[in-house]
Amino acid sequence: NAGVTQTPKFQVLKTGQSMTLQCAQDMNHNSMYWYRQDPGMGLRLIYYSASEGTTDKGEVPNGYNVSRLNKREFSLRLESAAPSQTSVYFCASSEGGLALEQYFGPGTRLTVT
Amino acid sequence: QKEVEQNSGPLSVPEGAIASLNCTYSDRVSQSFFWYRQYSGKSPELIMSIYSNGDKEDGRFTAQLNKASQYVSLLIRDSQPSDSATYLCAVNLYNQGGKLIFGQGTELSVKP
Repeated sequence: NAGVTQTPKFQVLKTGQSMTLQCAQDMNHNSMYWYRQDPGMGLRLIYYSASEGTTDKGEVPNGYNVSRLNKREFSLRLESAAPSQTSVYFCASSEGGLALEQYFGPGTRLTVT
Repeated sequence: QKEVEQNSGPLSVPEGAIASLNCTYSDRVSQSFFWYRQYSGKSPELIMSIYSNGDKEDGRFTAQLNKASQYVSLLIRDSQPSDSATYLCAVNLYNQGGKLIFGQGTELSVKP
């Protein structure tokens, strides 16, 4: 039982390049989330999917898109990376709904030059 | 006022002491409260959840919630050097559509 997994662990992009961050969970959770963590800013919600087939914007959605591929997988896409998107990205999941305990993946450290 | 506020620390306590971490939040209607521990370079790990007023104990950890005062705290008894980490308070804020909002974290250092 791996919990929440993320790939890649590290990535360096040039400004304007695109990439997709992958997330999968094996806990049969309904809800999944993408956060970014920056020094001094804490964890901020980018997008979330309350259930398979639905996605909603969080606090900082600009510059990102998401896809809930199936119940297990939730991907985050940067279409045209900018230095301001340099951050650590965490995926999380919960059994159902925003009010319940969320469990985090190991994170992706992204640098945009 | 920040929606979820924590002292950034660092909070330094000697080994064996009680560490007390505090968190205040802005929305009186909030229902769900969580404490996460995050070691440097690692992801947040859920250590406590609390939903009703009062105390909830789990091993050396006690979460305390006072909704009237909009205050939630985490006590760590018999602190160990392995408890040295950043502790994140998270609140499910009703006025944010129920989203989980995190405080900026309190860095705890337990000195041997």
